[in-house]
Parts: sequence; structure tokens; C-alpha cells
Amino acid sequence: AQKITQTQPGMFVQEKEAVTLDCTYDTSDPSYGLFWYKQPSSGEMIFLIYQGSYDQQNATEGRYSLNFQKARKSANLVISASQLGDSAMYFCAMRDPNSGYSTLTFGKGTMLLVSP
Amino acid sequence: DAGVTQSPTHLIKTRGQQVTLRCSPKSGHDTVSWYQQALGQGPQFIFQYYEEEERQRGNFPDRFSGHQFPNYSSELNVNALLLGDSALYLCASSLGAGGNAEAFFGQGTRLTVV
Repeated sequence: AQKITQTQPGMFVQEKEAVTLDCTYDTSDPSYGLFWYKQPSSGEMIFLIYQGSYDQQNATEGRYSLNFQKARKSANLVISASQLGDSAMYFCAMRDPNSGYSTLTFGKGTMLLVSP
Repeated sequence: DAGVTQSPTHLIKTRGQQVTLRCSPKSGHDTVSWYQQALGQGPQFIFQYYEEEERQRGNFPDRFSGHQFPNYSSELNVNALLLGDSALYLCASSLGAGGNAEAFFGQGTRLTVV
């Protein structure tokens, strides 16, 4: 069974600083995908970044980058130059493409608060 | 291009009642998945519909059922509501049911059972 662990219930960062949100995962499948989603108070899950297990380079999307360490089974999200609008819940999720279905297993999330 | 839309946005029901939540997928998407997100938790997969059939189901009782219509929209039905069913219910749509399909989420329906 797949499992996602996010050990940081909450993180605080000052505006313009960088922050790392931790995520470890557990799967026995060699092929999988890792996702990060942002969930503001409105409830919608907003896709941020994706890393495939066979991708050679760490994924980057604007201010978001994914520090993928396959041997350690970690996929930490790095947000550079934090903005006040980054305050939200952040979820790490995993998908097993071999299952044939596009379903996701989520962690419990990390609440990020960005202060001025 | 409309994204995933869910209705209603908020709902209050009494224990023992039945509820129906609705989801319209992103234009062009044919697969709908439903997730339950309890307070302080990550979303948990309920089930997925593709070609009007339930393709995969998570660890949820039979009180949770669904339907997909020919226009790909979907409904989630919950019977005999329990207090523990109070949660944010999220709908996600994708193109095809394959493992590499990117999922887009709606804003959710917040259900409160009293």
C-alpha cells in the first residue's frame, strides 16, 4: 500500500524568504508520480508541481521546485521568495500509474503561514 | 474554459438523512473522481467513474454511491448520514482513466451533518 508522510503540521516563514516543506513516501512500485497541491481556505486543490519517478532532473515550476531524493524516498517542496499569498495548506500526493487509474494518495498536509 | 464545478458549495443535513452532491468536469474531461477530506486531514479517495461505470473504489461503505451521466457529470450520494460524514467533498476530473492523467479539482462541497 502507498503511504505519504508530512511531518510538519505548520511552518512559518517571512515574506521573501525560502521555505522547504517535507514529504516522504513509501511504495514498492518502481514507477510512480509525486505531486504537490496548494489548498487555500476556499477549498480548491491547486496543482503546483509534478515529479515522475524516472525523471532525471528535479522538477521546477516558477518559484516552486521539488527536491527529489529517490533513495531516501523524499520529495520536498521548496518555495523561493515566499509571498503573502502563499499562506495555505500544502499537500503532497502520490499516484501509482501502474494501477491503471489516475487516483491520488495524499498526506495530511502542512499549513504554511507567510508573515510580512 | 470552465474548470471543475461543484454544487452546492455548502450543505447542512441531519443525521440519518440522504444527500446528493454534484460535479461537472472540466471541458473535455471524461473521468470523475471523488474525495472526502475530513477536517485537518488530507483528501481520501472514495471512487472513480469512467464511461458511466465505477472503475475503482476506496475504503468507503456502501452508503456512499455515485453515478456518471452521458455528459460526464457525476453525482455522489450518501445515505443514512452519520456525524462523521461531515467533511469537504472534492471532485476531480481528468481525461481518460489512465495512470498518467492529470487531475483538476473543484472547489468542493462542505457538508455538515448535525
